[in-house]
Amino acid sequence: QLLESGGGLVLPGGSLRLSCAASGFTFNNYAMSWVRQAPGKGLEWVSTISGSGSTLYYADSVKGRFTISRDNSKNSLHLQVNSLRAEDTAVYYCAKVPGAVTPRGFDYWGQGTLVTVSS
Amino acid sequence: QSALTQPASVSGSPGQSITISCAGTSSDVGGFNYVSWYQQHPGKAPKLMIYDVSNRPSGVSNRFSGSKSGNTASLTISGLQAEDEADYYCSSYTSSGTVVFGGGTKLTVL
Repeated sequence: QLLESGGGLVLPGGSLRLSCAASGFTFNNYAMSWVRQAPGKGLEWVSTISGSGSTLYYADSVKGRFTISRDNSKNSLHLQVNSLRAEDTAVYYCAKVPGAVTPRGFDYWGQGTLVTVSS
Repeated sequence: QSALTQPASVSGSPGQSITISCAGTSSDVGGFNYVSWYQQHPGKAPKLMIYDVSNRPSGVSNRFSGSKSGNTASLTISGLQAEDEADYYCSSYTSSGTVVFGGGTKLTVL
């Protein structure tokens, strides 16, 4: 099970920390990702972190503004989102990768947390 | 990284078969056997239907199948049922170490 939290309404230029609590599998054996979906739009991959936390991947659209991290002792995944823009408004999904490193797909998804960037 | 190309919509009658295409490049779909397909009903989280081009996760109906030829992957749904009506997305691993999604296809069961 994956349960996201931390979304909300934020001003342009603001920051949020999204979290995802994982259960039901050996967390540190699997890479984890964030995928977002703007209202009425398609899916967009945001970032992936390997099972050990040593390898990080980012989409160009968020590089330098978003930071992915994980705490394997607490089975939790995080996404620090800074310098938010209107176009970052989306439901942010936490998703499990069926492997330790390569983001080859996503086999389990959370229900998502909504981030709204607006003044 | 450009999005993979999917048809915006497809439709079929109950019992029929439909195929959704997902066109990429040699840097993504054509370069790796890491194509996945997801089903998303309105207001719900995506659900994995096919992974690694043609593998079905446990619990997914064998009416769903995947394949790939060159830079284009395909999802085929046979024996269409009303509950198959949903949005479908493909994704692929890329040579940059990133993931790219298709724009999505709305399946209507007539």
